[in-house]
Amino acid sequence: EVQLVETGGGLVQPGRSLKLSCVASGFTFNNYWMSWTRQAPGKGLEWVASITNSGGSTYYPDSVKGRFTISRDNAQNTLYLQMNSLRSEDTATYYCTRDGLPGYPNWFAYWGQGTLVTVSS
Amino acid sequence: DIQMTQSPASLSASLGETVTIECRASEDIYSNLAWYQQKPGNSPQLLIYDANSLADGVPSRFSGSGSGTQYSLKINSLQSEDVASYFCQQYNNYPYTFGAGTKLELK
Repeated sequence: EVQLVETGGGLVQPGRSLKLSCVASGFTFNNYWMSWTRQAPGKGLEWVASITNSGGSTYYPDSVKGRFTISRDNAQNTLYLQMNSLRSEDTATYYCTRDGLPGYPNWFAYWGQGTLVTVSS
Repeated sequence: DIQMTQSPASLSASLGETVTIECRASEDIYSNLAWYQQKPGNSPQLLIYDANSLADGVPSRFSGSGSGTQYSLKINSLQSEDVASYFCQQYNNYPYTFGAGTKLELK
């Protein structure tokens, strides 16, 4: 059974940093592209970052480019999201996702339970 | 960026009814479209991928169709457990983008 378990959320002041983790199990982690998607309270979904199965390439929307860094440790089956220079508009539940098919970017077949990040002074 | 325009924003329907949710892309996304269901307090769950392929374990009353820029999700014979929000997403190009969502309630 595929499982994605996010940790690391919490309350952080504007301008500070936070690092999220997602531990994966139930599949061959280094075969799949992985992503982070967020959802502000009561709002819709926003894609935040994606990383290739090898970790060699990463992708971001303009809203987080230069502030957020996605990375992975294939030996530890763990995905990360380093978030710097946090803003109030980054307040959201952050979901770790796994793509549906291995080796290339596609739909988000599996979602974690999410971790809440609140940016406030 | 590809804009995804989803309609309606909210929908009220009766048990057993058929409902349709639409999603329009601002450019051709070549059927690289997924639909997700999110029940209150839960994570999104994949329903449909590649515009019309049913995800594992999803009831057959859900179906997807469309091509080019126009896509739809149909729910036949609405059940109480279908009360949820529904989102479309294009994965043809980065940045991936989602529709704003449709909140489905029972009448």
